[in-house]
Amino acid sequence: GEDVEQSLFLSVREGDSSVINCTYTDSSSTYLYWYKQEPGAGLQLLTYIFSNMDMKQDQRLTVLLNKKDKHLSLRIADTQTGDSAIYFCAESTSGGYNKLIFGAGTRLAVHP
Amino acid sequence: GAVVSQHPSWVICKSGTSVKIECRSLDFQATTMFWYRQFPKQSLMLMATSNEGSKATYEQGVEKDKFLINHASLTLSTLTVTSAHPEDSSFYICSASSGSSPFNQPQHFGDGTRLSIL
Repeated sequence: GEDVEQSLFLSVREGDSSVINCTYTDSSSTYLYWYKQEPGAGLQLLTYIFSNMDMKQDQRLTVLLNKKDKHLSLRIADTQTGDSAIYFCAESTSGGYNKLIFGAGTRLAVHP
Repeated sequence: GAVVSQHPSWVICKSGTSVKIECRSLDFQATTMFWYRQFPKQSLMLMATSNEGSKATYEQGVEKDKFLINHASLTLSTLTVTSAHPEDSSFYICSASSGSSPFNQPQHFGDGTRLSIL
C-alpha cells in the first residue's frame, strides 16, 4: 500500500541549512507536498512539486525530487528560530479527489 | 489567498453531547473538503472526503453514523461528532481543495479544532 516515511527529529543551529528527507512508495503519485505545522495550529502549505520535476526553489526553500528512488527532500536555507515546527511530507494518491498520504512529520528544532 | 477558517478552535463538553465543527473556505470555492483527525505527536489520519452536494466518502474504520459530514455549499462543510465520548477527544482538522484529479489543486488547511470530552 501507500506509505510515506520521514525521520522524526532534526536539530540545527540558527543560520545553518536544514534538510528534511522523505521517502514514499506510490510511484504513480502526481504531486508531492511539504506542509508546516506549528504547535496547536493547522497545516500551512509550504510548497509542492509535480512528479515530472526534479527541483523547485521558492525563496529559502528548495525541494529536490528523485523519482527513481522515490525520495523527496526539503532544504531550508538560513534556518531561523521561527522555522521551528513539524514538517509533513505528503503524496497525492492516484485516482480522484487528491487524497493525501502524510508522513509522520519531522520535528525541526532550531537553536541559537 | 486560499484561506480556510475552522470553528470553533477549542471545545470542551460533557460525554453524550453532540458537537458540530465548521469548515469554511473564505476566498475560493471548495469542490472537495477533507476531515482529518490528529492524535498527539502523530500524523494526520484522513477520516472522510466530501464533495459539495454529495455524500461523504469515509475511510475504512471511521463510523459514518458517529461522524456526520455535510457539505452543503462550495464554501462550507460541517463535521458533527454525535454522542461524543472521551475517546473522541482529539484534534480535528479540515482542509479544502478547489479541484479534483487530474487537476490536483493543493489542499489548504484550517487551524484545527481541539475537542475535549469530559
